[in-house]
Parts: sequence; C-alpha cells; structure tokens
Amino acid sequence: AQKITQTQPGMFVQEKEAVTLDCTYDTSDPSYGLFWYKQPSSGEMIFLIYQGSYDQQNATEGRYSLNFQKARKSANLVISASQLGDSAMYFCAMREGYTGFQKLVFGTGTRLLVSP
Amino acid sequence: DAGVIQSPRHEVTEMGQEVTLRCKPISGHNSLFWYRQTMMRGLELLIYFNNNVPIDDSGMPEDRFSAKMPNASFSTLKIQPSEPRDSAVYFCASSFSAGGPNSYNEQFFGPGTRLTVL
Repeated sequence: AQKITQTQPGMFVQEKEAVTLDCTYDTSDPSYGLFWYKQPSSGEMIFLIYQGSYDQQNATEGRYSLNFQKARKSANLVISASQLGDSAMYFCAMREGYTGFQKLVFGTGTRLLVSP
Repeated sequence: DAGVIQSPRHEVTEMGQEVTLRCKPISGHNSLFWYRQTMMRGLELLIYFNNNVPIDDSGMPEDRFSAKMPNASFSTLKIQPSEPRDSAVYFCASSFSAGGPNSYNEQFFGPGTRLTVL
C-alpha cells in the first residue's frame, strides 16, 4: 500500500494566485511527521515545511502553509501568491514512528507550473 | 556553511564497471541517507546510517550495491558491476536526529550524482 499519495501529476497556476498541492498519507503509528520538499529543474531537493502529528496548529513558513487534516490523513501544501520561481516538482514525505531515525517515504510528486 | 557535498556530480560509465559515489554530510549531523531517483520509481531510500552504523538497508536493490560510512564525515555508495538500469540520480542527505516523539529533523540533500551506465 502506498504510504504517501500525491494524486496530481501536474498543476498549473497563474502568477500571484494561490495553489494547493494534495497529499494523503497512510499510517497506523500515532507519531509521525510530514515534510514537503521542492525540486526545481536544477535537481536539488529543498526542504519547505514540516508538520508533526502532535502539532496543534497548521505549519506555516512564509508563503507556504500546510493544511493538516489529521482525521482525513491529508497534509496539503498551500502556496500563496505564486511566483514564477515556484515552478518545480513538489514532493510530500512522511517519517513514521518514535525512533529518532528519520527514514522518509516520499510520494511521486506534483509538477507545478506557474505562468505569467 | 557547506551543505552536503557529493562527488562526482556526473558519472558516465560502461556496463560492468565499478562505480563509487561519495558523500560528505553536514558537520554535526549524525544520520546519513542514500536515495535513488528515477522517472519510473521516483525517490527511493536505499540505505541510511545513524552514528556511522547502517540502520536499514532494505532499499538496496541487490548485492551489486554496497554502502559504507567509515567515519562521521564520509560515506560511499558502490555499484559493482554496474548495469544500464542503475542509471539514475543518486542523492545523499544528512540530518541530526535527536529522537523523541514528533522530533523534527529535516534532511538536507546534496546536489546529487547523475549516473549514466551505457
């Protein structure tokens, strides 16, 4: 079974608009963490935002926010005021368990294209 | 402050040759991860180390792949013999794992090594 599911292979958004990238996860462990990474065409993986399963509030980092709905097991990334530089692949990832070891499982990614 | 350093950035080799990929994690980090990224399989964790000890190598595809971490500042991923299906981008990442529930330790990725096996 897929641990992380990203159902949108590609998304288009106009500059300055907001966009939501979907991510659902599957775990029976009460302790887990969810991460979003950005991979521009240059190839590097850039960490964007983190949400812990025990966090009471949705995570925010600048223009990035995470819409965390625990009961639905979803952790959607919201990018506000899109910029051309936001065009990239976006990966959702999950860390399970209370081990201190940060093994991540990644989704298949969503390609975001921001148009002028 | 230097990030994760990987070498070489690009490697082209012929089938059957030995390939060694190198990684220097961020100083102070105690966990190191090797990933492989392909179009078909996405981003896969191959192996990870904690305090230089391999914790989980269940993602290593087969015996042709081996990884070592002789000290806290260096790791290698070796493929011997290489095959065309090993062509991929190989990422090394590091983090500091302090443990505890809900511990937040982002992984910092290196720039990757693009491997092409002809």
